[in-house]
Amino acid sequence: EAGVTQSPTHLIKTRGQQVTLRCSPISGHTSVYWYQQALGLGLQFLLWYDEGEERNRGNFPPRFSGRQFPNYSSELNVNALELEDSALYLCASSLVTRDPTYEQYFGPGTRLTVT
Amino acid sequence: GDSVTQMEGPVTLSEEAFLTINCTYTATGYPSLFWYVQYPGEGLQLLLKATKADDKGSNKGFEATYRKETTSFHLEKGSVQVSDSAVYFCALSDRSGGYQKVTFGTGTKLQVIP
Repeated sequence: EAGVTQSPTHLIKTRGQQVTLRCSPISGHTSVYWYQQALGLGLQFLLWYDEGEERNRGNFPPRFSGRQFPNYSSELNVNALELEDSALYLCASSLVTRDPTYEQYFGPGTRLTVT
Repeated sequence: GDSVTQMEGPVTLSEEAFLTINCTYTATGYPSLFWYVQYPGEGLQLLLKATKADDKGSNKGFEATYRKETTSFHLEKGSVQVSDSAVYFCALSDRSGGYQKVTFGTGTKLQVIP
């Protein structure tokens, strides 16, 4: 069974540019979560999509947005990039989102560097 | 709201030493508790979990017991190896508005030296 996949692996952008990150969940998982992991810090929750709807978002500005497609894959968009957006962006999927006993499965992440 | 507190790292141990990484939590409901591990350059992967009080999760020699009375889920391993060097995250999962909500700790970096 294929795991969660993310693309691209690495990305270098300039301040003010826009970036799109992509995530494909494990087959059968309908929920996708996005996290930001800045260097030396823990995971900061960004967004949660379930069955095509945004269910929750973390404490991030509106220039962080995304969507989920009918095949449950997801995109994270970041507009007007700032230097502090440099981080590892992790995507996770979960089989059952209404049952807290189910774990999340993480992708390898996309390393974004903003110069 | 829910929160998870982990001991700060880095934790540096010699090979074959005993490991304890402390994790305490606050939650309004009856959460499930998880330990995830992140090896260098990779995403997180589940190490173990416990879904109710007094449950013990175990995997790869690691253990953690869900202690409701002390709201703790400390990670232990009797003899660490160099290959255990990684960042360990404690997390809780609870129901919020009918859905699962996951809260992560800040992570504890473990370095095991030969």
